[in-house]
Amino acid sequence: DAGVIQSPRHEVTEMGQEVTLRCKPISGHDYLFWYRQTMMRGLELLIYFNNNVPIDDSGMPEDRFSAKMPNASFSTLKIQPSEPRDSAVYFCASSPGTGWVTLHFGNGTRLTVT
Amino acid sequence: AQSVTQLGSHVSVSEGALVLLRCNYSSSVPPYLFWYVQYPNQGLQLLLKYTTGATLVKGINGFEAEFKKSETSFHLTKPSAHMSDAAEYFCAVASGGYQKVTFGTGTKLQVIP
Repeated sequence: DAGVIQSPRHEVTEMGQEVTLRCKPISGHDYLFWYRQTMMRGLELLIYFNNNVPIDDSGMPEDRFSAKMPNASFSTLKIQPSEPRDSAVYFCASSPGTGWVTLHFGNGTRLTVT
Repeated sequence: AQSVTQLGSHVSVSEGALVLLRCNYSSSVPPYLFWYVQYPNQGLQLLLKYTTGATLVKGINGFEAEFKKSETSFHLTKPSAHMSDAAEYFCAVASGGYQKVTFGTGTKLQVIP
């Protein structure tokens, strides 16, 4: 089991640029989550999917953020245009979704917007 | 609504001493409770979880936690700290649909030789 795979590990971009973060969940997991971690706000749930369908996106901060899951093995989180306050570590996690939830996290993408 | 409060953003203990990390939860329905650990530059890993049944839960690396409904607490303990325990620890709660997990702000554990 390769675990949850995120790419890139680090992303540095200039304000106004489009940023795309990628995630491959664990095979067979029905749920996929995107979290953001900052010093000020801790871990925040941005959005989660069940069987590729977005269930709750109430944590997405603004229309600049969008997430897709075109198939069971791939998801993207896009920020367009990016702003310095978007700088954070973005985590993807997946869960088998049977009964209770145990999250399996990727190693995160550290985003720096200058 | 659900939430967790972790008391103390930083805790220091000597190697071999008791580790106690505090967590209180708020939930309008019976909660599922979790402790996760995060090592530098890594994602979070599950330490232990409480769903139903026995209120004393044992996890990996010698950690355990006790669900106390009357105190709305789920404190994490380990009898003897090891240098490798230095990390950040997150308490978390899931309720309602059980898929939406809310994390606490984390406690950084420092182990002093």
